[in-house]
Amino acid sequence: DAKTTQPNSMESNEEEPVHLPCNHSTISGTDYIHWYRQLPSQGPEYVIHGLTSNVNNRMASLAIAEDRKSSTLILHRATLRDAAVYYCILRSAGAGGTSYGKLTFGQGTILTVHP
Amino acid sequence: NAGVTQTPKFQVLKTGQSMTLQCAQDMNHEYMSWYRQDPGMGLRLIHYSVGAGITDQGEVPNGYNVSRSTTEDFPLRLLSAAPSQTSVYFCASSYSIRYSGNTIYFGEGSWLTVV
Repeated sequence: DAKTTQPNSMESNEEEPVHLPCNHSTISGTDYIHWYRQLPSQGPEYVIHGLTSNVNNRMASLAIAEDRKSSTLILHRATLRDAAVYYCILRSAGAGGTSYGKLTFGQGTILTVHP
Repeated sequence: NAGVTQTPKFQVLKTGQSMTLQCAQDMNHEYMSWYRQDPGMGLRLIHYSVGAGITDQGEVPNGYNVSRSTTEDFPLRLLSAAPSQTSVYFCASSYSIRYSGNTIYFGEGSWLTVV
């Protein structure tokens, strides 16, 4: 299965932009890049996902490198509520293969936001 | 639409006891899965299912059984609880595994302590 590499931790100040990097050099052509975050004592929640093009939603932006071997989650203005563990995950399409239906989490990046 | 519902939220077991963690989703999702999360670590896949009657093992299946008799429910059974199974358990679901761009929804977690 393709794996992701993220920094263990990052820090930001409130209302500043945050760029969370993720390396996924063994990504396959059909793997989607998903980002989830987990607040303390809660289950992970969806942030954003993409395949090839950059993506924007109300929570964040996802910038995907042209070769797809890395991506960056961008929080445009960090708030204290954004303090969480952020997971970058590759999700493979089904229809057979050893990665059928699986989702592999790495350690994630602990984001600390200072007031 | 309640999303993914897990019960119980907290449970204390004695070594050797058995129990079932319940997971239900009301979104007609094909894919359901169970993860465990140990302190300071990411989520590890225990078992998953790609539809009613179909289950498969994840990364850490030993000591756990699952079944998927209906689309809605995916219970996780601990056969003979051990202290090493003390963890937080998360159930997750998504619409279809054939399209890897589907959002994955997580339950709020079940905190299990085995003494």
